[in-house]
Formats: sequence, C-alpha cells, structure tokens
Amino acid sequence: EPEVTQTPSHQVTQMGQEVILRCVPISNHLYFYWYRQILGQKVEFLVSFYNNEISEKSEIFDDQFSVERPDGSNFTLKIRSTKLEDSAMYFCASRGSLMEGEQYFGPGTRLTVT
Amino acid sequence: GIQVEQSPPDLILQEGANSTLRCNFSDSVNNLQWFHQNPWGQLINLFYIPSGTKQNGRLSATTVATERYSLLYISSSQTTDSGVYFCAVERGYGNKLVFGAGTILRVKS
Repeated sequence: EPEVTQTPSHQVTQMGQEVILRCVPISNHLYFYWYRQILGQKVEFLVSFYNNEISEKSEIFDDQFSVERPDGSNFTLKIRSTKLEDSAMYFCASRGSLMEGEQYFGPGTRLTVT
Repeated sequence: GIQVEQSPPDLILQEGANSTLRCNFSDSVNNLQWFHQNPWGQLINLFYIPSGTKQNGRLSATTVATERYSLLYISSSQTTDSGVYFCAVERGYGNKLVFGAGTILRVKS
C-alpha cells in the first residue's frame, strides 16, 4: 500500500541553525500539507501546497518557514533559523485530489532544538 | 474557524472493556478523520468518515453530519489500544484538517 514517508525520523539541532525536513508524498498525489505538534498539544496546520505554490498558511508559518517541491517526488519544509519553540513533531500529509477527502499522513519527524 | 471538541479528555479502561469516544464540531464538514497516535508519536489513520458508519475489526465509527458529531467505538480493548485518539475535520475541499485536543486512552491489563 502506498504511503507517505518522512526523513529524518528524529533531528537534533542547535538554536539558530537551518533545518530541512523531507517528505515523499504518495505518488500521483497533488495536494501537500505540513502540520506540527508541540509535545502534549494538539496537531496544528502549518501550510498547504498545490501546483507549486502555497494554497494556505497559518499564523505559525512566518518568514522563518518555507516549503518547496524541488523535484517530482520530494516535498520539503525549511526552517531558516530554528528557535527553542520550534521543537515539535512535524507531519507531512498528501491527498490525491480535491474530491478525495482523505489526507494521508507520514510518520513524522521529531525536531529537537537545543 | 471551526471548533472541534473531543470527550472525554482522559479514559482509563480495563483490558476487555468497551468504550465510546466522541467528537463534536461546530460547523458542517466535508471530511472527518479519526487517528490513533501511538507511543512513538506516529499518527495512524483509523477512519475517513465524513458521514455514515464504518467498521474495522474491533473499531467502528459513526458520523452524524447533520448533528455535527462523530463517535469512535472500541470494543474488547487491548493494551495496544492505549494512546491518544484524535478527531480532525475539514470544511470545504482541499483545505486543512482542524484537529481536536484528543482523548488519552489507557488500557490496563
């Protein structure tokens, strides 16, 4: 069964460093999402991406964040200068079409900023 | 924006017991999904259920869209069912999922 994959599973970085979280959505899916979950809290939407541009972004998704689909398979989230409060689990999701309601989630990347 | 409320916030069960988790939402939705977050933090998709009833083994779910709620039933609970259960909804099509705060389930042997 096709699945969304994410790498790395766990990343530790120092405050101020840049990190890139990688996702490989399900092949032929067109809509892509990033969510994050701070430890002990609910899952929050960050950004959605379609047709090589951002469809919607949340208040959390400020200038420190960017997304890219550098090739036909990867979808990345970059944090330019990490802060302690960026420590969280980051989930990538994809869906096939607007009418295919289900979003398929990856296993997540746990980011720890020290 | 749409509000999603889950109840109860915490639930402790003895192995073998049944349980019902509830998700209320404040507006009409086109998508509703139930997830189980395992101890490793992974979100496991249980059901995509914008309306109607579905069953998968010991788990089943019912969404009554007109009354804006969904129920997740767990029968004959096992210790491996422990974790956090999230409900998430989407208004319109192609939009973000809005998650509830989750129900923490602990199943004791």
